[in-house]
Amino acid sequence: TQLLEQSPQFLSIQEGENLTVYCNSSSVFSSLQWYRQEPGEGPVLLVTVVTGGEVKKLKRLTFQFGDARKDSSLHITAAQPGDTGLYLCAGGYGGSQGNLIFGKGTKLSVKP
Amino acid sequence: NAGVMQNPRHLVRRRGQEARLRCSPMKGHSHVYWYRQLPEEGLKFMVYLQKENIIDESGMPKERFSAEFPKEGPSILRIQQVVRGDSAAYFCASSPLGQGHGYTFGSGTRLTVV
Repeated sequence: TQLLEQSPQFLSIQEGENLTVYCNSSSVFSSLQWYRQEPGEGPVLLVTVVTGGEVKKLKRLTFQFGDARKDSSLHITAAQPGDTGLYLCAGGYGGSQGNLIFGKGTKLSVKP
Repeated sequence: NAGVMQNPRHLVRRRGQEARLRCSPMKGHSHVYWYRQLPEEGLKFMVYLQKENIIDESGMPKERFSAEFPKEGPSILRIQQVVRGDSAAYFCASSPLGQGHGYTFGSGTRLTVV
């Protein structure tokens, strides 16, 4: 069974601080995606990474896929209250078919 | 350009009744996935469908649960004889070319069994 472990499980910070959340697995994934979910809503796709070592930036968010394609990180610079939410990573294990495996998420709270 | 539409948003059923959850994928998306989310748990895969075909149902409980995606109309997740343990948020997602291209999720159906 492939598992994605996310850490930390909870994170509460002040506005303006930087943070990093992690997503780790013992399995190799062909692609890895990050989503953000707000209460009462479905997850929203933030980014997809497919190449080992790949780094993608989305405004204040920086996503990195590990060289071995087993882990990923999400770094947020100068966090804002609007960044509050549940951050989920999801791994795909090849081909154009099949499902994504989701981690349990990191629940981020950014206080003004 | 509507996204993934799920209905109803909230569904209350008594134990033993049937629950029908509907999902209309984004226009142009032919791949549909159903996931279940329990409080403090991650999203758990249930079933992957394309039009008129079940591609992967490895996450579906063997009894009481079924899914379809007919040629016309929405995808349906059906739960027969619901029990309290079925209470959860059920999310549908669609994608144009499979999981490597990212999912678009609906807002979910929150099923409560009383």
